[in-house]
Amino acid sequence: GAGVSQTPSNKVTEKGKYVELRCDPISGHTALYWYRQSLGQGPEFLIYFQGTGAADDSGLPNDRFFAVRPEGSVSTLKIQRTERGDSAVYLCASSLSPSGRGETQYFGPGTRLLVL
Amino acid sequence: LAKTTQPISMDSYEGQEVNITCSHNNIATNDYITWYQQFPSQGPRFIIQGYKTKVTNEVASLFIPADRKSSTLSLPRVSLSDTAVYYCLVGDGGYKLSFGAGTTVTVRA
Repeated sequence: GAGVSQTPSNKVTEKGKYVELRCDPISGHTALYWYRQSLGQGPEFLIYFQGTGAADDSGLPNDRFFAVRPEGSVSTLKIQRTERGDSAVYLCASSLSPSGRGETQYFGPGTRLLVL
Repeated sequence: LAKTTQPISMDSYEGQEVNITCSHNNIATNDYITWYQQFPSQGPRFIIQGYKTKVTNEVASLFIPADRKSSTLSLPRVSLSDTAVYYCLVGDGGYKLSFGAGTTVTVRA
């Protein structure tokens, strides 16, 4: 079946611009997660959605970052006034229900964001 | 969250067994050990999870000694396609996965 998809696969923008990154989770998965991965590092947690609501946004680095999931399926990560330090791969994952032991998170291929 | 330490990189040849050891000295009683695999330009993929002793699936085996302060991921008879980064995670199974830098495994012909 279809896995998690993310668009665009690559995004180049200029410092100060606004960007939106989209995630389509696996159909039927109620839990959705965003992670950020810098070069040579493992992914870092940003935010977790259960249904339409953000259950935990403690990983968002500052108020320039915001994410929504209005219908409980597709999610959009929004970054305002981008900075060069925002350059990274943004990964989305989903799971059938809130992750607990044995509940696997399925990751998408990521969006590579480059801020010039 | 328990901190993990694993080698930065490992080299191997096709057909060999690869063993990656992860140290987690301050693992908590409720923590499980989980391994993910990540290929270039892809997101991480769950490989295996265990609590104690030995777990085996179609991809790998996970060995956990009685004190649970370390664990070893074993990849039998690797092929070129097993070249990837392997992450050891320790946690209570909650949603907030905590990845370290991982071990880059390079398999050569």
